[in-house]
Amino acid sequence: GAVVSQHPSRVICKSGTSVKIECRSLDFQATTMFWYRQFPKKSLMLMATSNEGSKATYEQGVEKDKFLINHASLTLSTLTVTSAHPEDSSFYICSARGRRGKWPQHFGDGTRLSIL
Amino acid sequence: ILNVEQSPQSLHVQEGDSTNFTCSFPSSNFYALHWYRWETAKSPEALFVMTLNGDEKKKGRISATLNTKEGYSYLYIKGSQPEDSATYLCAFSGGPGANSKLTFGKGITLSVRP
Repeated sequence: GAVVSQHPSRVICKSGTSVKIECRSLDFQATTMFWYRQFPKKSLMLMATSNEGSKATYEQGVEKDKFLINHASLTLSTLTVTSAHPEDSSFYICSARGRRGKWPQHFGDGTRLSIL
Repeated sequence: ILNVEQSPQSLHVQEGDSTNFTCSFPSSNFYALHWYRWETAKSPEALFVMTLNGDEKKKGRISATLNTKEGYSYLYIKGSQPEDSATYLCAFSGGPGANSKLTFGKGITLSVRP
């Protein structure tokens, strides 16, 4: 089946650090990738949608300068949390769909980000 | 704001019990309803994508039904096993296309005791 690899799985770093999370589709071409954030006991909340080679579309309330998304190839999207602060601590997970938005969406394992 | 509700929030059952979960979603602008199983420390695994009113899908001991007119879907697990312990997510999609978004419920956490 389709596999999405997300790395790293866990990050602990100091306030002010920028953190990059990678999301790769291993056996299919991901035309569209999605980045989600999840707070404890809450649902997965969509942060942004990215299409290969174009700028990401951010959901309302998500700061695009804080959460930089790059989707440079059909197999790789990155999320960079810039100058992270404790309130950015959360669980981040990526998801990918194939050509023409084929379902289902396939998810990575997620990244637990802790900012001290 | 779209509201996708799942109930119950958590469920503890004995091995062999059958369980069912509910997902309610907006009945207007419906396109598809997705069910995922999410085991701890793993990625969410797609179970079903359902689009037609009255649709019924089955995968082993797990099945799902869909009522788009009243806005709900049921997920059934027959004869639960410990390996069924996971969080079950449903997600609503309001349209086709590569960029169509999924709106998720909070999930239902199932624990199956041996």
